[in-house]
Amino acid sequence: GAGVSQSPSNKVTEKGKDVELRCDPISGHTALYWYRQSLGQGLEFLIYFQGNSAPDKSGLPSDRFSAERTGGSVSTLTIQRTQQEDSAVYLCASSLRGRLETQYFGPGTRLLVL
Amino acid sequence: QQQVKQSPQSLIVQKGGISIINCAYENTAFDYFPWYQQFPGKGPALLIAIRPDVSEKKEGRFTISFNKSAKQFSLHIMDSQPGDSATYFCAPPPKGGKLIFGQGTELSVKP
Repeated sequence: GAGVSQSPSNKVTEKGKDVELRCDPISGHTALYWYRQSLGQGLEFLIYFQGNSAPDKSGLPSDRFSAERTGGSVSTLTIQRTQQEDSAVYLCASSLRGRLETQYFGPGTRLLVL
Repeated sequence: QQQVKQSPQSLIVQKGGISIINCAYENTAFDYFPWYQQFPGKGPALLIAIRPDVSEKKEGRFTISFNKSAKQFSLHIMDSQPGDSATYFCAPPPKGGKLIFGQGTELSVKP
């Protein structure tokens, strides 16, 4: 595909369950980012991967959130023991190395925790 | 730590009018000033960007102007159209750092 893809597009889960969100970046993009967007709100940075460097996890809101990027490509964001306040749209973006100002976003995963 | 302040939060403009959105930054040096556009249900997309060594950049109906002394850069949408209705984010990256998104401006262009 030509763009960033994310799956699932929608996820409804029960409080306390774990969820995994997937991101497929654009081929050749070494940088990958996760953001969270609550209803009507701005974009909250979560985590940033750049090549083989240690990820910047400074935006993760709690230790229930984690992310990994396998083989420098696909990334998975995991939320353990979900809470209702985790309900939001989770957006993934990728960019070329050294071009972090030009990020290409996926359509997002809409997470609803009941 | 908030480093950018975007205004207004929402904006209603008549078709054909000019939409102006401002982004003020604080003390950190930025090396690129992008604006992102987000339609409902979609991820943001880069709309237009400017480097701080120029004061203005125009692409079609969209213009970025940069005022270094005021630490502010603005997005102007000329001849605004209903299809421009979206949320706009400024997102300057500090030198060597990650994007810092403004709070967003929800633009509604009335026919």
